[in-house]
Amino acid sequence: GENVGLHLPTLSVQEGDNSIINCAYSNSASDYFIWYKQESGKGPQFIIDIRSNMDKRQGQRVTVLLNKTVKHLSLQIAATQPGDSAVYFCAEILGTALIFGKGTTLSVSS
Amino acid sequence: KAGVTQTPRYLIKTRGQQVTLSCSPISGHRSVSWYQQTPGQGLQFLFEYFSETQRNKGNFPGRFSGRQFSNSRSEMNVSTLELGDSALYLCASSFDLGGRTGELFFGEGSRLTVL
Repeated sequence: GENVGLHLPTLSVQEGDNSIINCAYSNSASDYFIWYKQESGKGPQFIIDIRSNMDKRQGQRVTVLLNKTVKHLSLQIAATQPGDSAVYFCAEILGTALIFGKGTTLSVSS
Repeated sequence: KAGVTQTPRYLIKTRGQQVTLSCSPISGHRSVSWYQQTPGQGLQFLFEYFSETQRNKGNFPGRFSGRQFSNSRSEMNVSTLELGDSALYLCASSFDLGGRTGELFFGEGSRLTVL
C-alpha cells in the first residue's frame, strides 16, 4: 500500500492568500520527503525537499514543515498566485524510487 | 540545457499489442526512472536504471520492461496491452538518485490509450 497520502483532494484560494497543503505518512522510518508540482499537460516539477533531521525548510515563497510526532508534513505557499494553480504531490524515497501521495489540486482565483 | 524528452507524446494501441516508449534524459544524468500516472492509482513507480542496470523495480507485472543504453537513453516496453494500461507514462532523470536526492527532472510524458 501507499506510504504517503494527502488530507484533501482539492483546495481553492484567492490570489494573494496563503495556501497550506497537507500530507500524512504512515512509515515512521521515512526520513526524506519531497514536494512536487504538476501543471496541466506537464510532468511533475520539484519544489522543495526536507530530511527528517529538520522541522522546517524554506524556499522562495514556499515553506515545508515536518512533524515527525504525528507523521505529518505540509507545504505552505505564501501570496498564492494564479500560476500556482496545479496538482501538488508529496513523496518519499524508498530505495531509488519516489513514492507519491495522491495529490491535492490547488485552484487560485483572481 | 535541454530537458527530458519523451517520444512519442501520444499513441493509441489495441489490446494485445505491444508498445515501446523512449526517453532521453538531461545530458549528464545517469539515472532514469519511469512512472505510470492514472486518475485512479496516481503516480506509481515502474523502474529505475543507472548505468544500464536496473536498480529498482516497482510492483508491476512482467509485461512491463525497460532498458537503458550506454548513452543513458532509456526505453520501456509494455507487451500484451490491456485496457488498464492506458495511462500517462512519465520518464524522469537525475544525476544519481542513489545519492539520496529527491530532485527528479520529469519529461512531459507519453500518453498511451489502449482500445
